[in-house]
Amino acid sequence: GAGVSQSPSNKVTEKGKDVELRCDPISGHTALYWYRQSLGQGLEFLIYFQGNSAPDKSGLPSDRFSAERTGGSVSTLTIQRTQQEDSAVYLCASSPSTGTAYGYTFGSGTRLTVV
Amino acid sequence: AQSVTQLDSHVSVSEGTPVLLRCNYSSSYSPSLFWYVQHPNKGLQLLLKYTSAATLVKGINGFEAEFKKSETSFHLTKPSAHMSDAAEYFCVVRLSSGGYNKLIFGAGTRLAVHP
Repeated sequence: GAGVSQSPSNKVTEKGKDVELRCDPISGHTALYWYRQSLGQGLEFLIYFQGNSAPDKSGLPSDRFSAERTGGSVSTLTIQRTQQEDSAVYLCASSPSTGTAYGYTFGSGTRLTVV
Repeated sequence: AQSVTQLDSHVSVSEGTPVLLRCNYSSSYSPSLFWYVQHPNKGLQLLLKYTSAATLVKGINGFEAEFKKSETSFHLTKPSAHMSDAAEYFCVVRLSSGGYNKLIFGAGTRLAVHP
């Protein structure tokens, strides 16, 4: 597609429920990243995919968070048993490669509110 | 470890006056540096990037940044602010080593432009 697409754009969920956030990267981009932006804070790295594998999961806050990528394309970030501190904007980005010459293209994000 | 520090959390300028958003980086080797802009309720947009080519980098919307190794700085400037420049700006360093590949974001600088 023309840009990175994320869905849903907004999600309100009850504490304790599971949520799935979807990212559809730019066609052909092999690298995919998830970040989290909490209110009043900067962007926090969560996980990085190269193809379907995740060489760096170091930013996932807890074992309630998981992500997968299939077909070298769409990625899903799953949060189990959501907590109020999970409320944030979750941003996905993709890049043609991991080379240093490439910037990232970000999606518009999913605003998650846990009530 | 690589990191960036944005020296001002808020900057306020009058329309038509110069803009200076300051960023210092910490890196053990020649870094890749970026500036991103985030308008309210919009996604992150790449303004410009430095990848060890020319030290003066020109970006979109009249912004530019100069890489100064001696000062470990990558300040963002614009000669004349426009109302539409009001947004949050992020200085970013790319951490790329072995299996690691991620962007490290500064805390952000909120730019306000007054008539």
